Amino acid sequence: AQTVTQSQPEMSVQEAETVTLSCTYDTSENNYYLFWYKQPPSRQMILVIRQEAYKQQNATENRFSVNFQKAAKSFSLKISDSQLGDTAMYFCAFKGSGGSQGNLIFGKGTKLSVKP
Amino acid sequence: NAGVTQTPKFRVLKTGQSMTLLCAQDMNHEYMYWYRQDPGMGLRLIHYSVGEGTTAKGEVPDGYNVSRLKKQNFLLGLESAAPSQTSVYFCASSWRTGGNTEAFFGQGTRLTVV
Repeated sequence: AQTVTQSQPEMSVQEAETVTLSCTYDTSENNYYLFWYKQPPSRQMILVIRQEAYKQQNATENRFSVNFQKAAKSFSLKISDSQLGDTAMYFCAFKGSGGSQGNLIFGKGTKLSVKP
Repeated sequence: NAGVTQTPKFRVLKTGQSMTLLCAQDMNHEYMYWYRQDPGMGLRLIHYSVGEGTTAKGEVPDGYNVSRLKKQNFLLGLESAAPSQTSVYFCASSWRTGGNTEAFFGQGTRLTVV
């Protein structure tokens, strides 16, 4: 079974600085997909960025980028120019290639605080 | 443009009571999911459905039942609530499983069992 591990329960960063959140996963599949979701205090789950395992190029969405290391099974999220609105729980998630393996499996989350 | 709507948003139950959580999506998605979120545990899959009339067990199905009589609705039932079921419940839907298709989430239901 796939597992997702986020080893940093809490992190903090100063406004305008850069922070990296770690995520590792375990799978025997070759085709899969990885996601970072943000959960602000409102509880709404918001997709931040996604990565397809067969793509070598790291995904980027504005201030958010990932460092995807397939051999190491690592998928870290970098937030540049941190803003107060980035304060939230961040969840790394894995999705397999289909069927029952296609459900999202989440890590336990990292609570990020952006300080003014 | 409602997306995924969960009803109710908050609920307090006494041990042994029953209730049903309703999830409705207006995106014509085939796949729907129920997760529970507990502190320090992330989101864990309870049950899911790959289409109208189908349901399947997820990681933590015990104590819950589900039904998908209509494509747009996915109901989660607790027959005899227990304090261990105190949690925040999220419904989600997606066009399909697998792939990089995004799962859309409802706003969650905070359930407290006393």
